[in-house]
Amino acid sequence: GAGVSQSPSNKVTEKGKDVELRCDPISGHTALYWYRQSLGQGLEFLIYFQGNSAPDKSGLPSDRFSAERTGGSVSTLTIQRTQQEDSAVYLCASSLLNTGELFFGEGSRLTVL
Amino acid sequence: GIQVEQSPPDLILQEGANSTLRCNFSDSVNNLQWFHQNPWGQLINLFYIPSGTKQNGRLSATTVATERYSLLYISSSQTTDSGVYFCLLNNAGNMLTFGGGTRLMVKP
Repeated sequence: GAGVSQSPSNKVTEKGKDVELRCDPISGHTALYWYRQSLGQGLEFLIYFQGNSAPDKSGLPSDRFSAERTGGSVSTLTIQRTQQEDSAVYLCASSLLNTGELFFGEGSRLTVL
Repeated sequence: GIQVEQSPPDLILQEGANSTLRCNFSDSVNNLQWFHQNPWGQLINLFYIPSGTKQNGRLSATTVATERYSLLYISSSQTTDSGVYFCLLNNAGNMLTFGGGTRLMVKP
């Protein structure tokens, strides 16, 4: 596609439920990042994928969070047993190279009740 | 890791005024970008500028890599310029570092 696409744009869920957030990066981009942004805060790094290399998961806040990238393209971020503190906007970004220009999607706003 | 400081942290302008936002960093970088996060949370690419000067309409940016700073100039500001401006540095793959942002409010 023309840009980074994320879905859903909004998700409201009950505490304890699992959620999946999807990111479709720009075609051909090998680097993919997940960030999250809580209300009024800066961006918090979650995970980084680069080509076929092992992902950098150092930013995942707990073992309830996981992400995968299938076929080097689409990525799914899964949050299990959601908690209220997981409420945030989850942003995906991609770039052609690992030092190339970064493009962000519009984000998925997650609200955990 | 690399340290990134943006200044000022907050800025209030009257519509039509000019401003300069600054991003200082502590190490050499491969990539520097400026983003505008609008009030709806969208991150919009402004400039990809590891060095040199670029202009796009009322906005321009200059990065002096040897002195480890970048400047974003906004001229004739408009209310739609309101939001948060971030600089982002990348010096090796997953080593992305965001500045703390400058929160800009342009009043009509």
